[in-house]
Amino acid sequence: QSALTQPASVSGSPGQSITISCTGTSSDVGAYNYVSWYQHHPGKAPKLMIYEVSNRPSGVSDRFSGSKSGNTASLTISGLQAEDEADYYCSSYTSSTTVVFGGGTKLTVL
Amino acid sequence: EVQLLESGGGLVQPGGSLRLSCAASGFTFSTYAMSWVRQAPGKGLEWVSGVSGSSGTTYYADSVKGRFTISRDSSRNTLYLQMNSLRAEDTAVYYCAKGVGAKPKYGMDVWGQGTTVTVSS
Repeated sequence: QSALTQPASVSGSPGQSITISCTGTSSDVGAYNYVSWYQHHPGKAPKLMIYEVSNRPSGVSDRFSGSKSGNTASLTISGLQAEDEADYYCSSYTSSTTVVFGGGTKLTVL
Repeated sequence: EVQLLESGGGLVQPGGSLRLSCAASGFTFSTYAMSWVRQAPGKGLEWVSGVSGSSGTTYYADSVKGRFTISRDSSRNTLYLQMNSLRAEDTAVYYCAKGVGAKPKYGMDVWGQGTTVTVSS
């Protein structure tokens, strides 16, 4: 199972919006609405930001939103804040009944 | 408060074995899926294995199938990962994670702090 494809890095200024893409195939992202997004600050435990494509867990800011079109899922962060600087990973359920992660995207807040 | 605490990591020689444990608290352990996710040095997250809540069905990444075994003891609220035939490429921080629902596919909403496994001679 190949990893999902994410851009290696994205950046934005405080207050701006950014979008991170996550491209898979018709056997994972395109086949199921089981895409999740995680925020990971190095040395800390990853944090779930979005599950089932667009659902936000309680306690996660509504500045974070998720969507999907075909084989590509997206995470949008609006009103960028300094504390949003972290690594972001998407994941998807696959037709092999496994879970696959993306390679990760480093978000820099300028 | 929902908490997960991993233990059992360490240094092991190639071909050796190690068993990781994850002590869970603050939720009905048997109901939820549990997974192990790892991060090799300088690399991204990699899902390793998962087990469903209630049914106990197990799932494995191709990279560990046949070498690793996931299990859960609901009487002890503990998740395990038995790792055999370890290779250098298994070196990573291993995280235990609670599922959003009864199956690993729904996502992972609580994570432990991780335990480090180093495979080296």
